[in-house]
Amino acid sequence: EAGVAQSPRYKIIEKRQSVAFWCNPISGHATLYWYQQILGQGPKLLIQFQNNGVVDDSQLPKDRFSAERLKGVDSTLKIQPAKLEDSAVYLCASSRTSGRGYEQFFGPGTRLTVL
Amino acid sequence: ELKVEQNPLFLSMQEGKNYTIYCNYSTTSDRLYWYRQDPGKSLESLFVLLSNGAVKQEGRLMASLDTKARLSTLHITAAVHDLSATYFCAVDLNFGNEKLTFGTGTRLTIIP
Repeated sequence: EAGVAQSPRYKIIEKRQSVAFWCNPISGHATLYWYQQILGQGPKLLIQFQNNGVVDDSQLPKDRFSAERLKGVDSTLKIQPAKLEDSAVYLCASSRTSGRGYEQFFGPGTRLTVL
Repeated sequence: ELKVEQNPLFLSMQEGKNYTIYCNYSTTSDRLYWYRQDPGKSLESLFVLLSNGAVKQEGRLMASLDTKARLSTLHITAAVHDLSATYFCAVDLNFGNEKLTFGTGTRLTIIP
């Protein structure tokens, strides 16, 4: 079974520029998550999708971050404009959504450096 | 606001020794997860604990959950170098919403 795919793996941009990340979850997984992991910290949830609907985006800085999951499969996360403090690894995860005991499976992440 | 705290934050131990990582959380939950992260890599799921008193073991790692004390432990037995990594616990607060809050992580280094 193929895992969660993300691209690009690395991105370097200057502040105030825009950037977009792509995620393809495990086939059949209805729930998709985007996390931000700052160096030395645990991942922090930005947004959660169930199929193509948003379940939770309470921690998404909506003035600059946006995300979509068209057709309930792939997802993109965009930052516009980027700030220095956005430098982090952006992790995508997916899970089945059927009762208890779900596991979230993580992709390799995109390391963003904002200069 | 949910807080998930791990200790120690850093742990350096010799091969062959035993040690325990602790995960405390501030609000009632009966779902707790342990993940492993190698440097520059993504997170790998280790254990899923779904009830009070749950205990799971895989190789040299054993995880347990005490929901009354709001405490989970990850015990390492006879450590080997391959276990060097950062370990995260994560707590699910929103029953049915499957939203995880991660701890600060414990960076474990096993010294030969």
